Amino acid sequence: DTAVSQTPKYLVTQMGNDKSIKCEQNLGHDTMYWYKQDSKKFLKIMFSYNNKELIINETVPNRFSPKSPDKAHLNLHINSLELGDSAVYFCASSQDPLGTSGSQNTDTQYFGPGTRLTVL
Amino acid sequence: TQLLEQSPQFLSIQEGENLTVYCNSSSVFSSLQWYRQEPGEGPVLLVTVVTGGEVKKLKRLTFQFGDARKDSSLHITAAQPGDTGLYLCADYQAGTALIFGKGTTLSVSS
Repeated sequence: DTAVSQTPKYLVTQMGNDKSIKCEQNLGHDTMYWYKQDSKKFLKIMFSYNNKELIINETVPNRFSPKSPDKAHLNLHINSLELGDSAVYFCASSQDPLGTSGSQNTDTQYFGPGTRLTVL
Repeated sequence: TQLLEQSPQFLSIQEGENLTVYCNSSSVFSSLQWYRQEPGEGPVLLVTVVTGGEVKKLKRLTFQFGDARKDSSLHITAAQPGDTGLYLCADYQAGTALIFGKGTTLSVSS
C-alpha cells in the first residue's frame, strides 16, 4: 500500500493552461505539504496544511492554489501555467509538524513519488 | 533565513570506496535530518540527529552532528551501487516545514 500517492506522475501542457495535481496519504497524518524541486534538484517548501488549514504559504504566485478537501488529501491547482513552473512537485505528509510544546520537531516527512510538470 | 550548504555537489566513485559528504548551516540546527532521493522517487529519511556531538550508524552509513549543532557529516564505508542517489540534509523551519540543502549527488559504479 502506497503511503503518499500523487497523480499524475507526468504532466505535459501548454503555457496558459490550468492543471491540477492530486495527492493522497493513507498514514493518518495531520499535516501535508507541497514542495517544488527545480532543475538543479533544489527542494523548496510551497505550502503546508494542518488538519485542512493553511499553515505555511511561502512566496508562491497566487496562480498556485492548494485545496484540502479532507485531512488525507491535498491537491494543487495551477492557473495560467508559465514556462518557469516546469519542475517536479512533491507532496509529503507528517504526523506532528509543530512538535510538542517547547521541543524540537523531529517528525519524519513521507514524500510521494513526485509529479514532473513540463510546460511548453 | 537559514541556509544549508552541502559539499561536494557531485561525487563519482567506484564500488568499495569510502566517502564523506558535508552539511553546514548558517545557524544552529533545530534538528538535522538526512534524506536520500533515488532517481524518479521522493526523498526518504535516513536519520534524525538532535544532540550536539551525536553519532548515529545505519549499516555502512555513519552520521555525525557537530558539537555546536551547525554542521554534520555523512560517511559511507565501502560504497555500493545501491548507494547511488541525491543526499539531502534538512532542518525544520520554525518547527513546521523542512528547509533543504542543495544536495550531494552520489554515483557509485561497479
